[in-house]
Amino acid sequence: QSVLTQPPSASGTPGQRVTISCSGSTSNIGDNTVNWYQQFPGTAPKLLIYNNNQRPSGVPDRFSGSKSGTSASLAISGLQSEDEADYYCAAWDDSLSGSVVFGGGTKLTVL
Amino acid sequence: EVQLLESGGGLTQRGGSLRLSCAASGFTFTNYAMTWVRQAPGKGLEWVSVISGSGNSIYYADSVKGRFTISRDNSENTIHLQMNSLRAEDTAVYYCAKGTEKYCSSVSRYDYWGQGTLVSVSS
Repeated sequence: QSVLTQPPSASGTPGQRVTISCSGSTSNIGDNTVNWYQQFPGTAPKLLIYNNNQRPSGVPDRFSGSKSGTSASLAISGLQSEDEADYYCAAWDDSLSGSVVFGGGTKLTVL
Repeated sequence: EVQLLESGGGLTQRGGSLRLSCAASGFTFTNYAMTWVRQAPGKGLEWVSVISGSGNSIYYADSVKGRFTISRDNSENTIHLQMNSLRAEDTAVYYCAKGTEKYCSSVSRYDYWGQGTLVSVSS
């Protein structure tokens, strides 16, 4: 069971807006920034959103992130078929000796 | 161009050892923390360990603490993961990834990833 909680699946039709939630606690999301990763089958993860809401160069502005309290969200607007992938949230966790924690991942299906 | 190339994966028996390496190029290696993240077959990402740019600060996941050791050779631009007392549940693809700061505490942002190396532990 992951420290950060994500829905296992999400779906939408092309052009729709989809959001993926990530729930944590004060020791992780509450006190640290959230990053989001996108992963296609058989490939390495790719940094998609950093510092809660910043996009690395090359990431379309259709992708956006937000954080409030101990939860974060990834939103994808104007959904495209090529957005079908797994999405993971991550944050540093201050509990015990410190660690990085990931969400369990959300498989996004474009219908 | 940043490149990360993992090696050292393979098949081993329960209780065995393996040493993974990740050769980095395309950036000033000592300026960045480096991390290992693994992914069991069909499962999600699991963070394993991180080492600061200087090598003086290290953190481990509870699941590997006492069995795995991360290290870096800044003269060779390489990090290593020594894995001992391997268990079936350590079977995974192991990715190395580059941090965006020299320090590693309070950071979960990794901007470049290797292609991964597969570790299989038979029981």
